[in-house]
Amino acid sequence: EVHLVESGGGLVKPGGSLRLSCAASGFTFKYFSMNWVRQAPGRGLDWVSSIRGDSSYIYYADSVKGRFTISRDNAKNSVYLQMDSLRVDDTAIYYCARGRQNAFDIWGQGTTVTVSS
Amino acid sequence: QSVLTQPASVSGSPGQSITISCAGTSADIGGYKYVSWYQQYPGKVPKLLVYNASDRPSGVSNRFSGSKSGNTASLTISGLQAEDEAEYYCASYSSTTTFYVFGTGTKVTVL
Repeated sequence: EVHLVESGGGLVKPGGSLRLSCAASGFTFKYFSMNWVRQAPGRGLDWVSSIRGDSSYIYYADSVKGRFTISRDNAKNSVYLQMDSLRVDDTAIYYCARGRQNAFDIWGQGTTVTVSS
Repeated sequence: QSVLTQPASVSGSPGQSITISCAGTSADIGGYKYVSWYQQYPGKVPKLLVYNASDRPSGVSNRFSGSKSGNTASLTISGLQAEDEAEYYCASYSSTTTFYVFGTGTKVTVL
């Protein structure tokens, strides 16, 4: 069965850093793009970043460009999101999602990031 | 960050059909077939309903159908059921620096 499991969320002060991880299983990881999507409390879905299977292309939302870094390790079937210079408005549930046919077909359960002083 | 515009809410009676619109621009919906739709229950993970504007993943009910015309995409739910009460989001690839955009979300209520 296909699974995505996120980890690494938590409480951090403004200006701090966190590194999120997403472990994949049940499919050939290197063949799929991977993505991070977030959802602030009571708000809608917000695309954050995407990385191609071979890491050849990487994309970021304007709101996180220069602060967040996406990466992947195909040997470990994992994708990461390094989040620096965190702001209060980065508070959200962060979902890892598999990309297929320009859509997000498999989602993890999410990990919660809270940025507060 | 640009977003796609959806109505805040749509409602219908059981058995009826409803349509949710998703308005974009020529840089996203109008320029590509890469429109997708997601269903999300409160506190739950989003689920893919439609991709490539009108294709359904295996296992998704054929009561859900997608279409696209110009800069607007639509999701139609036919034979509305109580279990369809949820939030629905559209999404699209974008040729701008945004790369990918979600809609504002539509709450569907079954009367």
